[in-house]
Amino acid sequence: NAGVTQTPKFQVLKTGQSMTLQCAQDMNHEYMSWYRQDPGMGLRLIHYSVGAGITDQGEVPNGYNVSRSTTEDFPLRLLSAAPSQTSVYFCASSSLGLAGGSEQYFGPGTRLTVT
Amino acid sequence: GEDVEQSLFLSVREGDSSVINCTYTDSSSTYLYWYKQEPGAGLQLLTYIFSNMDMKQDQRLTVLLNKKDKHLSLRIADTQTGDSAIYFCAERNNAGNMLTFGGGTRLMVKP
Repeated sequence: NAGVTQTPKFQVLKTGQSMTLQCAQDMNHEYMSWYRQDPGMGLRLIHYSVGAGITDQGEVPNGYNVSRSTTEDFPLRLLSAAPSQTSVYFCASSSLGLAGGSEQYFGPGTRLTVT
Repeated sequence: GEDVEQSLFLSVREGDSSVINCTYTDSSSTYLYWYKQEPGAGLQLLTYIFSNMDMKQDQRLTVLLNKKDKHLSLRIADTQTGDSAIYFCAERNNAGNMLTFGGGTRLMVKP
């Protein structure tokens, strides 16, 4: 199993550009989520999905879109990048959502800089 | 809303015990977690505790939960240089669909 993979590892965008951060998992997990990590602020949930065709907003969804057409893939789209979206983005998945002590498996992250 | 707070930094000597503290505000949290993040990597679940427990031990790790004070701690016994990392506590919301993370505590272990 590759686990949770994310591409690209690094990306630099200009203000106003759009892009898609890719996330894929090969563990047949129903629950997938996107977080952003900013210094001293821990991780904040952007969007999550409890299964194919179902997505919902997290704590900081503005400026981001997601879709879940398959169990494996959960792309994050930045519609019009802003410097405030400079961050490290993590995708995570788990088999039982956040039930009990089920473990979320995290990808290696995408470091995004918006100039 | 929920708020989870941690101190930013802890430095210990190899072989000593480390205690990382966390406070949270959501009294309805049912599960609380400790994650470890090594440089350049994602988060890895270390351990978790259910809210009806006061203590959980797992090898070198001991989690203490004080529900009255909404205080969670992680004790690492015989701390090793490989334990140097950022440690995050997190609480699960009542609906069971979101985790709220603290800002992370950077643990530095000196040889």
